[in-house]
Amino acid sequence: AQTVTQSQPEMSVQEAETVTLSCTYDTSESDYYLFWYKQPPSRQMILVIRQEAYKQQNATENRFSVNFQKAAKSFSLKISDSQLGDAAMYFCAYRSQGSARQLTFGSGTQLTVLP
Amino acid sequence: DAGVIQSPRHEVTEMGQEVTLRCKPISGHNSLFWYRQTMMRGLELLIYFNNNVPIDDSGMPEDRFSAKMPNASFSTLKIQPSEPRDSAVYFCASRAGQGGRAQYFGPGTRLTVL
Repeated sequence: AQTVTQSQPEMSVQEAETVTLSCTYDTSESDYYLFWYKQPPSRQMILVIRQEAYKQQNATENRFSVNFQKAAKSFSLKISDSQLGDAAMYFCAYRSQGSARQLTFGSGTQLTVLP
Repeated sequence: DAGVIQSPRHEVTEMGQEVTLRCKPISGHNSLFWYRQTMMRGLELLIYFNNNVPIDDSGMPEDRFSAKMPNASFSTLKIQPSEPRDSAVYFCASRAGQGGRAQYFGPGTRLTVL
């Protein structure tokens, strides 16, 4: 079974600075998908970014980018120019290509943005 | 696009009562998911529908939980009878197509069972 590990329960960053959230996963599969979701205090889950394992190029969405290291099974999220609105719980998630059982989530990292 | 709609947003009930949570997926999405989130267990997938058919319900905790999707635009998650340990935030999510497309989550229903 796949597992997703987020080893940083809490992180903080100064406004306008850059922060990196780490995520590692365990799988024997070669084709899969990885996601970062954001959960602000409103509790809604919001997709931040996704990455296909077969793509070597790291995904980027505006201030959000990932560092995908397939051999190391690592999928970190970098937030540049952090804003107060980025404060949230961030979840890393894995989905195998052919699995009927969908997303496997990590335990989350609570990000605080300091003004 | 209104996104995934869930109702109610908050529900407080007494132990033993029946609880029904509702979800309207994004129009055109053919997969629907019910999750439960608690501090102790994190996010857990309860059940997954594809084209209105339940595909994987292995996450449903016990027979007190049931889910239906009578059509492409509506799903319910029912708990009967409810227990205090069912207190959690319940999320509905939908997705278009297959492959690696992302799931889009609703705002969640915060359930408190007294």
